[in-house]
Amino acid sequence: DSGVTQTPKHLITATGQRVTLRCSPRSGDLSVYWYQQSLDQGLQFLIQYYNGEERAKGNILERFSAQQFPDLHSELNLSSLELGDSALYFCASSAGEATNEKLFFGSGTQLSVL
Amino acid sequence: AQKITQTQPGMFVQEKEAVTLDCTYDTSDQSYGLFWYKQPSSGEMIFLIYQGSYDEQNATEGRYSLNFQKARKSANLVISASQLGDSAMYFCAMRESYGGATNKLIFGTGTLLAVQP
Repeated sequence: DSGVTQTPKHLITATGQRVTLRCSPRSGDLSVYWYQQSLDQGLQFLIQYYNGEERAKGNILERFSAQQFPDLHSELNLSSLELGDSALYFCASSAGEATNEKLFFGSGTQLSVL
Repeated sequence: AQKITQTQPGMFVQEKEAVTLDCTYDTSDQSYGLFWYKQPSSGEMIFLIYQGSYDEQNATEGRYSLNFQKARKSANLVISASQLGDSAMYFCAMRESYGGATNKLIFGTGTLLAVQP
């Protein structure tokens, strides 16, 4: 158990809908990262927050947004969903931002858009 | 631009033998970290080993070791005495340092390892 909690584990929805994925980082970790894993794109970095502030953005679509709350949990919002958004979405956390800090991953949310 | 390359889409190894999974990287920065993660069929991402760019010795963690060749920009993972439970997807990843802060980890495409009895 990595200590990172993601809910829900599975999500099935329809095109055009909006969903929210939730992540609770390990106790004490200030950095939260969101990744998308799909068969064609592999593991893609979406966005990172550190202590409530956005720190880095990757290949995140405008239809997607995220935030980190004062209690450090994070939410990833996906709207106007398309079939191609079906993927495994991971949240990861680390204590800080040093080069040697490893990321601990949650078990992921499997999103299926039908 | 930073990039991680894993050229082996899949590999087989016999149980109890050693196997090397290849990883090359591209970065213009001097300070960076290299990681290996394991993803079994259940889906979770499990940290295996870390190597810093300034570390003089190759990292080791139990049966895992990292063959770090800085001049060649390679960071190969060596798994000794393979076990059936080692069958999984293995990802090489890199973290760069810029402007005094580091953030995202970028991943290679992965190598699917199958351990045969």
